[in-house]
Amino acid sequence: QQQVKQSPQSLIVQKGGISIINCAYENTAFDYFPWYQQFPGKGPALLIAIRPDVSEKKEGRFTISFNKSAKQFSLHIMDSQPGDSATYFCAARKTPGGYQKVTFGTGTKLQVIP
Amino acid sequence: SAVISQKPSRDICQRGTSLTIQCQVDSQVTMMFWYRQQPGQSLTLIATANQGSEATYESGFVIDKFPISRPNLTFSTLTVSNMSPEDSSIYLCSVVKQGPEVGEQYFGPGTRLTVT
Repeated sequence: QQQVKQSPQSLIVQKGGISIINCAYENTAFDYFPWYQQFPGKGPALLIAIRPDVSEKKEGRFTISFNKSAKQFSLHIMDSQPGDSATYFCAARKTPGGYQKVTFGTGTKLQVIP
Repeated sequence: SAVISQKPSRDICQRGTSLTIQCQVDSQVTMMFWYRQQPGQSLTLIATANQGSEATYESGFVIDKFPISRPNLTFSTLTVSNMSPEDSSIYLCSVVKQGPEVGEQYFGPGTRLTVT
């Protein structure tokens, strides 16, 4: 029940296209859903996060869509650029009562080709 | 955000030896963690570093193999003891800073360890 399932495992998108990465969770107690971006040889960087009281959050070209009833959330990268080529991890955790451990997805390796 | 530095950035070690990894944060943080990430894999939590007390280890990780110290609110060390090739991995320090609503979690650049 603690798993976060992420798909696809890898993704190739043409420059200018839309990259979509999907995640699904089981634990309804999760109430904070961050996305991390990791470039080769670097640590994961917090990209964008959402709480389940909103269905969408947008920051620049990055948008999280959240479907509470389906227990799914997704990352959309609009106008994808070669510089977006990285591995993306979704994550989930509970926040009430102080910090709770975060559960990470398995990662999606995105390659944006010119 | 938080600026996290780790030393060393990478190392190649012989089996049977130990390596201590340092993590320094630019400001006081509520919580510090150590993760392991094997090539092409997701992140696995090793332990929570507790200031002034013993670390809290996750299932499958033990203090004798991964001793951790956290003497203050900005610094922690992780030692990988009696190393074997299976310990070859990236080790990541992570911190949580309490924000107005929820603590955001940040990661250091990682230490790439190769055991020969």
